[in-house]
Amino acid sequence: DAKTTQPNSMESNEEEPVHLPCNHSTISGTDYIHWYRQLPSQGPEYVIHGLTSNVNNRMASLAIAEDRKSSTLILHRATLRDAAVYYCILSNNDMRFGAGTRLTVKP
Amino acid sequence: GAVVSQHPSRVICKSGTSVKIECRSLDFQATTMFWYRQFPKQSLMLMATSNEGSKATYEQGVEKDKFLINHASLTLSTLTVTSAHPEDSSFYICSAMGGRGKRQPQHFGDGTRLSIL
Repeated sequence: DAKTTQPNSMESNEEEPVHLPCNHSTISGTDYIHWYRQLPSQGPEYVIHGLTSNVNNRMASLAIAEDRKSSTLILHRATLRDAAVYYCILSNNDMRFGAGTRLTVKP
Repeated sequence: GAVVSQHPSRVICKSGTSVKIECRSLDFQATTMFWYRQFPKQSLMLMATSNEGSKATYEQGVEKDKFLINHASLTLSTLTVTSAHPEDSSFYICSAMGGRGKRQPQHFGDGTRLSIL
């Protein structure tokens, strides 16, 4: 079973920032936090991952709480193409996926 | 970025047929590959984890004789659905991870939509 908790759905307006939360209160010291997203009828796409420090890449930023029990995926300017289901998973949970957050982006 | 090729993308076949799905890592060596199944409007369900050169580890409730996994090289894993029936119809997705340890991200194939008539 997945060890992460995410809201079922979120909405955002186009070109506004989006903060997608994930709770992982049972995280272990060696767990990496991975984020993936999935568009309809496609395989998931890697977004970002991190261990303790905040991470940035061309797609998004990952903010990890100091106690590591939660993290937030930040899309700085949402576009219509960012509409997808976003999954937060822990590496030591054998890559099991939870239900994820369905992000809707409104024009 | 890393690319994982999954083939075929879609299969429609009669009940009782065996179907083989291939998953290839095109530009990196995949020490570990994962196989998932996804039903409509549901999340991905992990079926099995395979490491190159060793037997796959199946999740509870997944029949290893029904879903045969072979990971014979560092770039190829195959999933064979034996004697498929309509209840096996689903979206099957593979992923590959390079390097050792769980710090590496997964790279996913585009999935195979299997329809059993």
